[in-house]
Amino acid sequence: NAGVTQTPKFQVLKTGQSMTLQCAQDMNHEYMSWYRQDPGMGLRLIHYSVGAGITDQGEVPNGYNVSRSTTEDFPLRLLSAAPSQTSVYFCASSFGGLGYTFGSGTRLTVV
Amino acid sequence: AQTVTQSQPEMSVQEAETVTLSCTYDTSESDYYLFWYKQPPSRQMILVIRQEAYKQQNATENRFSVNFQKAAKSFSLKISDSQLGDAAMYFCAYRRPYNTDKLIFGTGTRLQVFP
Repeated sequence: NAGVTQTPKFQVLKTGQSMTLQCAQDMNHEYMSWYRQDPGMGLRLIHYSVGAGITDQGEVPNGYNVSRSTTEDFPLRLLSAAPSQTSVYFCASSFGGLGYTFGSGTRLTVV
Repeated sequence: AQTVTQSQPEMSVQEAETVTLSCTYDTSESDYYLFWYKQPPSRQMILVIRQEAYKQQNATENRFSVNFQKAAKSFSLKISDSQLGDAAMYFCAYRRPYNTDKLIFGTGTRLQVFP
């Protein structure tokens, strides 16, 4: 099925561990982005990309890295997990920003 | 910086009735996009409706319509003939139309629908 695929759906990490959240889309969308959702705060932008090889920071980029080597993939790396990074993470893609397709989210718990 | 405010943390409506969710935003831009997203308990983000700021006409999608007041920077969502499946979190979001991919979200309104 066409859409945005996020893996894993759930993850528990220990403080200090690193991991990569995967995001892939098969709609040939140029734009991809990562958001985190915390209770009472809506979704906040972490990083985004407007095309392969181009990335930029969003509202809450600290502690996260991204790269965009292909149009399809936009992984999010947590360098050294902290309890403050406990959240639900969403990847989204869009064509020109006119309509966004979101992945089903990853619930991350850092203990 | 642009901000989006949803002042109603929770709303409730009876099945078949009409409910309006409020959203205001702050921007100095003249051209932009506004969105309403629905997030049911499955946590999937679903686009409900989109409005381009340069369009005078209010967007409509079946039972969902918006009241876009550009001068007042207001973008409310009206749900007509409410159904049990409309129960969800609803998020208002803003985006500039240029070469960026920044969606700015409000904090959401939880809508309950009673039979």
